Amino acid sequence: KNEVEQSPQNLTAQEGEFITINCSYSVGISALHWLQQHPGGGIVSLFMLSSGKKKHGRLIATINIQEKHSSLHITASHPRDSAVYICAVVQGAQKLVFGQGTRLTINP
Amino acid sequence: GAGVSQTPSNKVTEKGKYVELRCDPISGHTALYWYRQSLGQGPEFLIYFQGTGAADDSGLPNDRFFAVRPEGSVSTLKIQRTERGDSAVYLCASSLIGVGETQYFGPGTRLLVL
Repeated sequence: KNEVEQSPQNLTAQEGEFITINCSYSVGISALHWLQQHPGGGIVSLFMLSSGKKKHGRLIATINIQEKHSSLHITASHPRDSAVYICAVVQGAQKLVFGQGTRLTINP
Repeated sequence: GAGVSQTPSNKVTEKGKYVELRCDPISGHTALYWYRQSLGQGPEFLIYFQGTGAADDSGLPNDRFFAVRPEGSVSTLKIQRTERGDSAVYLCASSLIGVGETQYFGPGTRLLVL
């Protein structure tokens, strides 16, 4: 079993739909990152969370430390949101352990 | 300012050859990381530098893999006697030092071992 599990692995939705991607982890962490990876490989950090909730534009990330669970939500989804979304937990000071990613496709 | 750069962007080599992959971090970033990403998978940690020293190399798969960062800036990942299973995208990231600091990723080097 992976230390970081994401669900779903693939998600296809229509433009405008509310999107939720889930991340569960089984190890102690100091923080959790949500990352976005577009075709061609470039990875961009979206959020870093250690508690509670963060919002940036149409993106919202939440974390429940007791439940060892985080969610990434996208409101009013748009085709340009199509990408792979990766959850990564911080072990120790700096080491990242990644989930396998969720491939999101938003159709117009 | 410039982001993290990696060279080459693509590398094709033959089984058994030696390869070097280079990473230029963001200026002033003391922490540097190497990751490997196989097709359809999330990245996996290889090694983490604080300054010139490897603070955690627990992700290096075997002794064919080695990385250096002699002046605390540019890093080179070296792979000896390459195998077909080494084919992957090798990602480099850099950050400031601190718990959970944002890591900035380079575009990666796509390595193909024939």
